Amino acid sequence: DAGVIQSPRHEVTEMGQEVTLRCKPISGHNSLFWYRQTMMRGLELLIYFNNNVPIDDSGMPEDRFSAKMPNASFSTLKIQPSEPRDSAVYFCASTPGQGASYNEQFFGPGTRLTVL
Amino acid sequence: ELKVEQNPLFLSMQEGKNYTIYCNYSTTSDRLYWYRQDPGKSLESLFVLLSNGAVKQEGRLMASLDTKARLSTLHITAAVHDLSATYFCAGVPLVGNEKLTFGTGTRLTIIP
Repeated sequence: DAGVIQSPRHEVTEMGQEVTLRCKPISGHNSLFWYRQTMMRGLELLIYFNNNVPIDDSGMPEDRFSAKMPNASFSTLKIQPSEPRDSAVYFCASTPGQGASYNEQFFGPGTRLTVL
Repeated sequence: ELKVEQNPLFLSMQEGKNYTIYCNYSTTSDRLYWYRQDPGKSLESLFVLLSNGAVKQEGRLMASLDTKARLSTLHITAAVHDLSATYFCAGVPLVGNEKLTFGTGTRLTIIP
């Protein structure tokens, strides 16, 4: 299996622009998580989906952030409009949902976002 | 709400020495995960500890879980430079247990 796939790997944009991050979870995994990591705030859970349904979005910073999971193999995280304080590494992770370690999370390579 | 605390936050140690990273959590949790993150890289799963008394070993790293003490440890034996990384532990609440609660991480630097 290719593991969790994220794109783009790097994104540089200007303040006010729309940014869309993409994630393909491991095939067969039923939960998907979006995280943000910064030096100041560490690793923060933004939102997670189970069977394509958003379960907990309490970590989404504000209305500028939105996430969707239209099917089991694809999710997007959108920031509109982007601001410099959104600069961070954004990780996507998925879990098998079954087996002894059903909630072991497998992380993608991350998207490093820089907002100028 | 489950809270996970790691200590130390930073650890600098010489090659060949032994040390332990501690992970305490605040409420009952029946499993504990350890992850490794190299600079500029993603998080990689190291150990999955599924029950009280569980012990897992991989090379110079050994992880254990004591659910009664709400404590997990990651022990490093005869450290080598390749082990330099940030190590995270993550717990799972018994309720709403789809998501992990991560500790702040321990940045480990092995000095030659």
